[in-house]
Amino acid sequence: QVQLVESGGGVVQPGRSLRLSCAASGFTFSSYGMHWVRQAPGKGLEWVAVMSYDGNEKYYGDSVKGRFTISRDNSKNTLYLQMNSLRAEDTAVYHCAKGRSGSSYDAQDYWGQGTLVTVSS
Amino acid sequence: DIVMTQSPDSLAVSLGERATINCKSSQSVLYSSNNKNYLAWYQQKPGQPPKLLIYWASTRESGVPDRFSGSGSGTDFTLTISSLQAEDVAVYYCHQYYNAPFTFGPGTKVDI
Repeated sequence: QVQLVESGGGVVQPGRSLRLSCAASGFTFSSYGMHWVRQAPGKGLEWVAVMSYDGNEKYYGDSVKGRFTISRDNSKNTLYLQMNSLRAEDTAVYHCAKGRSGSSYDAQDYWGQGTLVTVSS
Repeated sequence: DIVMTQSPDSLAVSLGERATINCKSSQSVLYSSNNKNYLAWYQQKPGQPPKLLIYWASTRESGVPDRFSGSGSGTDFTLTISSLQAEDVAVYYCHQYYNAPFTFGPGTKVDI
């Protein structure tokens, strides 16, 4: 069965960096687009970033563009999110999600439980 | 960026009754070359990640009960729960994946 397990969250000071990981199993990771979606406490869903199956396409949300970088290692079945210049408003649960196809332009059919990132001094 | 709006913000429906949620996009999410609407619906229960219900605006995800249906095209979409069950209490989100940055609606809370 498909499993997505995020890690790397924690408490970090404003302006610092953090790298999230998402370990995938139960499907052919290298064949699917992968997303990051976040949810601030008590708030709605905010799409963060996507990478196509081969890494050739990457797109970002406006609020993270230039600060966050999505990447993947298909040999390790792992998705990453490098988060730099963190701000208080980046505080959220970060979910990785599997796309329905290799394209970036598809819905997400499986989601991880998420990892909490808290940006606070 | 495409802005997604939903109405109502919340609704209370009796068990067995119909629930209707509307979603509107600020521009069309219909891709003319394949005639597909790049619109999905998700259900999120407290403490859980979202669950995909509907994609391509009207295609039900495998395993989703047939009381859930999606309709609409272009900029106006609807999620209908034909006969509300207790386990359907959740927040429902629409999501466009037509144009990056992809965006979600603000959510609609459904209660009994």
